[in-house]
Amino acid sequence: QLVLTQSPSASASLGASVKLTCTLNSGHTSYDIAWHQQQPEKGPRYLMKVNSDGSHSKGDGIPDRFSGSSSGAERYLSISSLQSEDEADYYCQTWGSGIHVFGTGTKVSVL
Amino acid sequence: EVQLVESGGGLVQPGGSLRLSCTASGFTFSNFGMSWVRQAPGKGLEWVSVISGSGGSTKYADSVKGRFTISRDSSKNTLFLQMNSLRAEDTTLYYCAKGASSRWDDGFDMWGQGTMVTVSS
Repeated sequence: QLVLTQSPSASASLGASVKLTCTLNSGHTSYDIAWHQQQPEKGPRYLMKVNSDGSHSKGDGIPDRFSGSSSGAERYLSISSLQSEDEADYYCQTWGSGIHVFGTGTKVSVL
Repeated sequence: EVQLVESGGGLVQPGGSLRLSCTASGFTFSNFGMSWVRQAPGKGLEWVSVISGSGGSTKYADSVKGRFTISRDSSKNTLFLQMNSLRAEDTTLYYCAKGASSRWDDGFDMWGQGTMVTVSS
C-alpha cells in the first residue's frame, strides 16, 4: 500500500528558505512524486514532478525559487527567498497501478 | 491557455445521484489521463478516480468503488463523474485534474477550480 508521509507544519522568516520532506513507505522508495501548492481559499496548483533520481520538472510559471530533489525514500521541495504568497499548504502525490495517493500536507507559515 | 472548468455540484439528499462535469480547453483532451480529487472543508486532498486518455482504463478509491463512475467524451472535451448512492461523507469540494500523460499512472499537472457537492436532507 502506497503511503506518503509529510510533516504537518513548517515555518521560516520572510526572505529565508524552507525545505519540505515527503517520505515514501517501504517497498515504494523508487517512486516519482509531484508537489502541489494550495494557497488559502484556492484550488491546488501543480508545482513540479520530482523523480527518484533527483531530477525535477516544474510547471509553467513556477518561480526559480522552487526546486525539488531526492534522497532514498525522501523527496524534497525547497523554497528559497520566501514570499508572503508562499504561505500555503503543500501536498505531495504519488501513483502506482492506477492508484493515486496524497500526503497529508505541510502547512508553511511565513513569519 | 490550459483550463479545466468543473460544474454540476449542488445539494442532494442522501441516497441521491449527481453528475459532475469538467470541461477542458487548451490541450488535446484525448491525449491525457484525467482524475477526480476531492477535499472536505479544512481537510487534505483525497483522490477519487482516474481514467486513461483512451477511456479504456479506470480506477477508483475504495471509498467510492461501486457507487461512482468516471467517464469521458473526447468529442466534447469533457470529463464526467456519475455519483450514485451519495452519503453525507461525500460532501466535499470536487476537483478535476489533468494527468501529465495518456497513462492513468502519472502525476497531475493541472487542476480545475472545483465544484461543491453537499449531501444533506
